[in-house]
Amino acid sequence: GQNIDQPTEMTATEGAIVQINCTYQTSGFNGLFWYQQHAGEAPTFLSYNVLDGLEEKGRFSSFLSRSKGYSYLLLKELQMKDSASYLCAGRRTPLVFGKGTRLSVIA
Amino acid sequence: DADVTQTPRNRITKTGKRIMLECSQTKGHDRMYWYRQDPGLGLRLIYYSFDVKDINKGEISDGYSVSRQAQAKFSLSLESAIPNQTALYFCATSDQGQGEQYFGAGTRLSVL
Repeated sequence: GQNIDQPTEMTATEGAIVQINCTYQTSGFNGLFWYQQHAGEAPTFLSYNVLDGLEEKGRFSSFLSRSKGYSYLLLKELQMKDSASYLCAGRRTPLVFGKGTRLSVIA
Repeated sequence: DADVTQTPRNRITKTGKRIMLECSQTKGHDRMYWYRQDPGLGLRLIYYSFDVKDINKGEISDGYSVSRQAQAKFSLSLESAIPNQTALYFCATSDQGQGEQYFGAGTRLSVL
């Protein structure tokens, strides 16, 4: 199968760093996306990794290890507005989405 | 203006009614998708289309049908709505390159 696993919920403190993990079976995907979704709104694209390693975009970074079937999204200097669900998606046609991780940022 | 537009944004209907949700896009993408989202279940793919002549079932197509009227338009129909089709529905588009999907704002459907 092509299951993608993510933690269901996480809580972190404003100003801190949080890492959201995503694991999947190693065959079948040729890239990994991360999306952010605020409650009741559309998912929006955050990052894409096709090669192993770290991609950095401001406060957000994403890492991929294809051999381990593992990715993470790193959020630094957390802000209250980062409270949202974060969806990991394997690149296939069509994309295969995980169920998302709901992140709550507390003061 | 939004690149991917869904209408209506909210709809309340009764069991047994036929309803249509519409999606149009100005991104020039060939590929379009319909998803539903329920709490705790994530995004689930209903149907997708890679061009005007192409329709493919997703993981939960029973009770739904689609029409790809043009490259820019992809409609989802519920032939006879039932309460467990109450959900948030998203349309999305992508090109053939990286495959990143762009989502509409969603349609919140309630079936009473």
